[in-house]
Amino acid sequence: GDSVTQMEGPVTLSEEAFLTINCTYTATGYPSLFWYVQYPGEGLQLLLKATKADDKGSNKGFEATYRKETTSFHLEKGSVQVSDSAVYFCALSTSDRDDKIIFGKGTRLHILP
Amino acid sequence: DAGVIQSTRHEVTEMGQEVTLRCKPISGHDYLFWYRQTMMRGLELLIYFNNNVPIDDSGMPEDRFSAKMPNASFSTLKIQPSEPRDSAVYFCASSLNLWETQYFGPGTRLLVL
Repeated sequence: GDSVTQMEGPVTLSEEAFLTINCTYTATGYPSLFWYVQYPGEGLQLLLKATKADDKGSNKGFEATYRKETTSFHLEKGSVQVSDSAVYFCALSTSDRDDKIIFGKGTRLHILP
Repeated sequence: DAGVIQSTRHEVTEMGQEVTLRCKPISGHDYLFWYRQTMMRGLELLIYFNNNVPIDDSGMPEDRFSAKMPNASFSTLKIQPSEPRDSAVYFCASSLNLWETQYFGPGTRLLVL
């Protein structure tokens, strides 16, 4: 069945380091892909999304490219800040034969000053 | 717009009691979702509605859980009887459709003693 797999955390980096959080998916059809972020004590909020192959989503310095050939949607940021400390969720949704929304387990990110 | 409203941020109850969580989605959104988040199990989709009709309740853990959406602006998630293992943060989210961004409420932290 459809699924989302993201790297387990926690991930700990120093400020200004380069960030990659891996996300791969399995899905029939053509899903939309999302990254959500959850700051402490808050609900999830959309960080970026991509709706078709080769699309690049970007926001707040974060980027992710929809790679159909590798079924991946890795999240990257060139220089992280302490304020980026949060939990990041990769997700997909499909509306082909079966409507589905699937979240990954989340990756906790700690940025050290 | 005020966003998704979950007016109760913290709920404490005793084992065996009935607890009802409430949610007001963003006006005009056709989809409403209920999630549960715990450290052990992560983020779990419990049920979602389309135009007030339950579409997929396969994530509802057992018969003690029920959800309703009597109109487009209100939904409830009821647990009867509650148990300590139901302690979690419960999020409500809404979206225009399944492949669009979900907007999450702030969550209700439930503690069952």
